[in-house]
Amino acid sequence: AQSVSQHNHHVILSEAASLELGCNYSYGGTVNLFWYVQYPGQHLQLLLKYFSGDPLVKGIKGFEAEFIKSKFSFNLRKPSVQWSDTAEYFCAVGFTGGGNKLTFGTGTQLKVEL
Amino acid sequence: SAVISQKPSRDICQRGTSLTIQCQVDSQVTMMFWYRQQPGQSLTLIATANQGSEATYESGFVIDKFPISRPNLTFSTLTVSNMSPEDSSIYLCSVVTGQSHEQYFGPGTRLTVT
Repeated sequence: AQSVSQHNHHVILSEAASLELGCNYSYGGTVNLFWYVQYPGQHLQLLLKYFSGDPLVKGIKGFEAEFIKSKFSFNLRKPSVQWSDTAEYFCAVGFTGGGNKLTFGTGTQLKVEL
Repeated sequence: SAVISQKPSRDICQRGTSLTIQCQVDSQVTMMFWYRQQPGQSLTLIATANQGSEATYESGFVIDKFPISRPNLTFSTLTVSNMSPEDSSIYLCSVVTGQSHEQYFGPGTRLTVT
């Protein structure tokens, strides 16, 4: 079965530090890739997505992610985090023939300290 | 995007009872899904809500436990039947609009079973 793994479960950073959250999936076919963010007390929001084309995608709030097909990875990055980035981040993958169904990673809780 | 509302936002229920969760979207959508997020865990797809026909359930989920209705393109319900404390979770509705693969999530229903 297809699976998605996020290696960092809890990350604590100081403001202005750089962020990289890992996401790997197990599937050899075509995928659609997503990062969602859940701010405290709020619902899931789409941060960015990759369907095809340029493997470096930019999302909202300065986030970007790079799809590396050979590594089955879709890591999320931000050069300089802010306190307001404190949230839980979920990687999600839609697999070919899955009919838009998503498989989620376990999530990464990011805390940004002032 | 789509604006999704869920009712109730939270509930505390006794074991053995059932709860019906409603999901309303502000526009017609292609697909609707129901997910579960158990405490400290990631999102797991329960089923795809099919308009005018029986829902398609994922492995480990059955219609008798989680009956789903989708009478039209903007509304769906999920019932959690014969509840036990293990059903305590956040239940989320999500939608895909048009031909996009982007999936949007509702605010969730936080269910506690005592």
